[in-house]
Amino acid sequence: EIVLTQSPATLSLSPGERATLSCRASQSVSRYLAWYQQKPGQSPRLLIYDASNRAAGIPARFSGRGSGTDFTLTISSLEPEDYAVYYCQQRANWLWTFGQGTKVEMK
Amino acid sequence: QVQLVESGGGVVQPGRSLRLSCAVSGFTFSNSAVHWIRQAPGKGLEWVAVISYDGSITHYADSVTGRFTISRDNSKNTLFLQMNSLRAEDTAVYYCASQPPRTMEYFDFWGQGTLVTVSS
Repeated sequence: EIVLTQSPATLSLSPGERATLSCRASQSVSRYLAWYQQKPGQSPRLLIYDASNRAAGIPARFSGRGSGTDFTLTISSLEPEDYAVYYCQQRANWLWTFGQGTKVEMK
Repeated sequence: QVQLVESGGGVVQPGRSLRLSCAVSGFTFSNSAVHWIRQAPGKGLEWVAVISYDGSITHYADSVTGRFTISRDNSKNTLFLQMNSLRAEDTAVYYCASQPPRTMEYFDFWGQGTLVTVSS
C-alpha cells in the first residue's frame, strides 16, 4: 500500500497570502496524484488531477506540481472561501488512498 | 448537472445490516466506474469499494472485505452498498463518487454523503 503523508497538518495564513501544501508518497506514483478541497459539512471537491491539471471550474490561483514521490498544491493568494481541509489522493492497482489532510485556517 | 444522491443511512446496532443507495443523474452512469468512500467523524477520507462500469469487477478495502458488497443497476442509474456485520468502526459518512470514463486515477464528482452510525 502506498502511504501519502501531507504536511503541514495545519497552515495558519491570512487572506492574500500564499499557501503551499505538501504531499509525499511512500513510493513513486508517477504523475497520478489528485487534490481535493473539503469545507465543513460538505463533500470533497476535485481541484487538481494528474498532479497539475485543474478540474473544471477551479480558479487559476490553485496550482499543482510534482511527480514521483513529491507533490505540491499552491494557492497563490488566499481568498476567504479557500479556508478548508485539503487532501491528496493516489491509486495503486485496485487500492485508492488519501493523505491525512492539511487544514488551512485563517490567521 | 451531475448529481449523486446517497440515501439509506441511519443508526444500526452492531452486527446488523444496512443497504445504502446512490442515485446518479447528469452523466452516462453506465460508462463510469463508481466508488464508495467514507469519512469517520472528524477524520480523513477512506476508500471503501469500487465497481466497474458494467459491474463485472469489484474491489474492496481490507477493512470491509467479506462484510460489504458493492453493486449497481445501470438501468436505474443507481449504485448500492450492502453492509453486513456492522461494527462501531464503520460509523462514518458514506459518499458515492464517480470516475471519469477511461481513467481510474481520481474522483470527479461526489455525493453529499449519508451518515451511518453503528451503536447499541
